[in-house]
Amino acid sequence: AQKVTQAQTEISVVEKEDVTLDCVYETRDTTYYLFWYKQPPSGELVFLIRRNSFDEQNEISGRYSWNFQKSTSSFNFTITASQVVDSAVYFCALSPYNNNDMRFGAGTRLTVKP
Amino acid sequence: DADVTQTPRNRITKTGKRIMLECSQTKGHDRMYWYRQDPGLGLRLIYYSFDVKDINKGEISDGYSVSRQAQAKFSLSLESAIPNQTALYFCATSDFDMRGYTFGSGTRLTVV
Repeated sequence: AQKVTQAQTEISVVEKEDVTLDCVYETRDTTYYLFWYKQPPSGELVFLIRRNSFDEQNEISGRYSWNFQKSTSSFNFTITASQVVDSAVYFCALSPYNNNDMRFGAGTRLTVKP
Repeated sequence: DADVTQTPRNRITKTGKRIMLECSQTKGHDRMYWYRQDPGLGLRLIYYSFDVKDINKGEISDGYSVSRQAQAKFSLSLESAIPNQTALYFCATSDFDMRGYTFGSGTRLTVV
């Protein structure tokens, strides 16, 4: 069975701090996709990144970076120099390679204070 | 216009009523999904469809049904609404390569 755990329910930081959101997953599949989505206060869900299980390279996009470690089944997300606009709920998700049964974690609510 | 449009945005209904949530997309994707979001539980898959003739149950399909009327339209029905179906419902689409889902803005459903 697949499972995604985001142990941090809520995180609060002050603007310009760095923050890491943890994601640990369980799967019996050897090939799979991992995702991060952002849900700002307005409620929509915004796709941030997809990573496939073959690619363990870390990725950086501006202030965002992702660290995928297959050995520890983790796919953590770091925001550098956080900003108030980063305040949102962030979801990590996992999907098998050959079907669309995407499982989401419970989400981490990030609050960035000015 | 949004790529994925959900109607209505908000709905309050009474226990026992039948209600339909509608979703349409302009992405041209074959794959469409219905999810429900509850606080502390993330999103859970209700139904998904790979094409017009394909319907599949997700993790929590009991109490729900769906209809794929066309490639662009996928509706979710609650045959007899109950209060624990109060939630935020999302429709989503994806391409074959699963580059990432495109979500609608959500429908907030309250069953009283």
